[in-house]
Amino acid sequence: SSELTQDPAVSVALGQTVRITCQGDSLRSYYASWYQQKPGQAPVLVIYGKNNRPSGIPDRFSGSSSGNTASLTITGAQAEDEADYYCNSRDSSGNHLYVFGTGTKVTVL
Amino acid sequence: EVQLVESGGGLVQPGGSLRLSCAASGFTFSSYSMNWVRQAPGKGLEWVSYISSSSSTIYYADSVKGRFTISRDNAKNSLYLQMNSLRAEDTAVYYCARDNWKVEQQLVNWFDPWGQGTLVTVSS
Repeated sequence: SSELTQDPAVSVALGQTVRITCQGDSLRSYYASWYQQKPGQAPVLVIYGKNNRPSGIPDRFSGSSSGNTASLTITGAQAEDEADYYCNSRDSSGNHLYVFGTGTKVTVL
Repeated sequence: EVQLVESGGGLVQPGGSLRLSCAASGFTFSSYSMNWVRQAPGKGLEWVSYISSSSSTIYYADSVKGRFTISRDNAKNSLYLQMNSLRAEDTAVYYCARDNWKVEQQLVNWFDPWGQGTLVTVSS
């Protein structure tokens, strides 16, 4: 089945910018969506498609895509942004309908 | 308020069965496809199953195919996951999530909202 690969962990200084990437063949055919998950909580949608934010998501979160890579950028990271982040897209391999990324732990220093 | 609430999790022995439910409110349930997603302890998210709004289209992850059955009752605004022949590796928090989509040059799907999850533990 298709895979979406993310860096396991990244760190960012408070107020600085961090980019989380997601790579996979499926992203050549489908846009990604991004989810934030804090310990003990359900995932929350933060970005979907080209660069769409659900209501209530701060505008410091943005998305982009190029080729087989989707990116989530947090501009001016806040302490409350410390969480796990997962990308997701349809699976172009035809084996599964959806595939999730491996997840990235973001630490705000 | 748009809301999903899962129930039915618990402790079950290997080889046993369990039925999860997901109650939807605050939106027209019958108009949306739905998904189950799970997360093993300390692990990432894994998509499990999808069902279209009319139940005409169903998909499963290879890891559960032949053992799990997704269904829905639009009259009751409810989604279900019947889990049979459970294994230790099925131990996870199971979330239901609404399926959304649109096309902007490419197809994009997204899961929103999510329920709070229900824990399934398979152990003797």
